[in-house]
Amino acid sequence: QVQLVESGGGVVQPGRSLRLSCAASGFTFNSYGMHWVRQAPGKGLEWVAVISYGGSDKFYADSVKGRFTISRDNSKNTLSLQMNSLRTEDTAVYYCTKGGGSSWTTDYFDSWGQGTLVTVSS
Amino acid sequence: EFVLTQSPATLSLSPGDRATLSCRPSQSVSGYLAWYQQRPGQAPRLLIYDTSNRATGIPARFSGSDSGTDFTLTISSLEPEDFAVYYCQQRTNWPPLYTFGQGTKLEIK
Repeated sequence: QVQLVESGGGVVQPGRSLRLSCAASGFTFNSYGMHWVRQAPGKGLEWVAVISYGGSDKFYADSVKGRFTISRDNSKNTLSLQMNSLRTEDTAVYYCTKGGGSSWTTDYFDSWGQGTLVTVSS
Repeated sequence: EFVLTQSPATLSLSPGDRATLSCRPSQSVSGYLAWYQQRPGQAPRLLIYDTSNRATGIPARFSGSDSGTDFTLTISSLEPEDFAVYYCQQRTNWPPLYTFGQGTKLEIK
């Protein structure tokens, strides 16, 4: 059974940094693309970033490009999101998600963690 | 900018009713669409992938289709647990960037 458990959320001041982690289990981690998706309070879903199987390919939403870095450690089955220069508009629940299908450029997300809340506030 | 427009924003129906939710892309991209359900306080869960395939464990009352210009999620007979927010989602071809619709709230009438 696929399990994705996020950690690292909290309250941080604007301009500061935070690192999120996602512990994955129940599947062959290095065989799937992995993503971060976020949801601001009371709002809809926004895709943040994707990383390929080995981590060589990464793509980001325009809203976070240049500030956030997605990475993975396949030896530890862990996905990470380094968030720098945080803004108040980055306040959201951040979900770790597993890509479905046979390619890392999957069309959909077939498993989701429960999310971790990041609050950017002075 | 690629946009997915969902309609209606809110749908008020009763248990046993048929629900039809729509999702219209601003341009043609990968062609495949996914649908997710999000209940209050919970993470989203995948309902439909590749436009019309039900995800594992999803009841047969959920179905997805493509009319050529719009994508549709149909719930044939609403159960109490189906009242939630539904999102559609697509990927651009290259680079692989992902977009969600703004959501349709399905509420009890």
